[in-house]
Amino acid sequence: EAGVAQSPRYKIIEKRQSVAFWCNPISGHATLYWYQQILGQGPKLLIQFQNNGVVDDSQLPKDRFSAERLKGVDSTLKIQPAKLEDSAVYLCASSLQAEVSYEQYFGPGTRLTVT
Amino acid sequence: GESVGLHLPTLSVQEGDNSIINCAYSNSASDYFIWYKQESGKGPQFIIDIRSNMDKRQGQRVTVLLNKTVKHLSLQIAATQPGDSAVYFCAENKWNTGFQKLVFGTGTRLLVSP
Repeated sequence: EAGVAQSPRYKIIEKRQSVAFWCNPISGHATLYWYQQILGQGPKLLIQFQNNGVVDDSQLPKDRFSAERLKGVDSTLKIQPAKLEDSAVYLCASSLQAEVSYEQYFGPGTRLTVT
Repeated sequence: GESVGLHLPTLSVQEGDNSIINCAYSNSASDYFIWYKQESGKGPQFIIDIRSNMDKRQGQRVTVLLNKTVKHLSLQIAATQPGDSAVYFCAENKWNTGFQKLVFGTGTRLLVSP
């Protein structure tokens, strides 16, 4: 079974530039999550999708971050404009169904460096 | 607020020893817990999970213990190997408008010496 795919793996940008990350979840997984993991900390949920609808985006900085999951499969996370404090690893995860307690499978992440 | 935390940021053990990683949680309503292993440059990898109606669950070389009385979770790794070196996170399930939401702790780094 293929895992969660993410690209790019690394990205270096200057502050005030924009960047986009892509995620392809495990086939058949209805729920998709984007996490931000700052160095030395645990992952923090940014946004959660159930199919193509947003379930939770309470911790997403909506003035600069946006995400979409068209057709309920792939997802993109965008930052515009980036700030220095956005430097982190951005993890995508998926689970079979979020209405029950199911394991979340994580992708390798995208390491973002903002200079 | 509600949180999941770990007692020790770094744990150093010798190869072959047993390792115990601890985690405290504050939400007594949490019904599902997961331990993840994260190696450098990789995403978190599922190790083992436990539901709140259980006290203990065993996997291959790993055991998770749940003490709901004191809201404590532990991960035991038997015969620790160098390949077990990683950061370990416990995560607690919080229900949000009918959907699962995991809250992760800070993590414990396990260092295994040969």
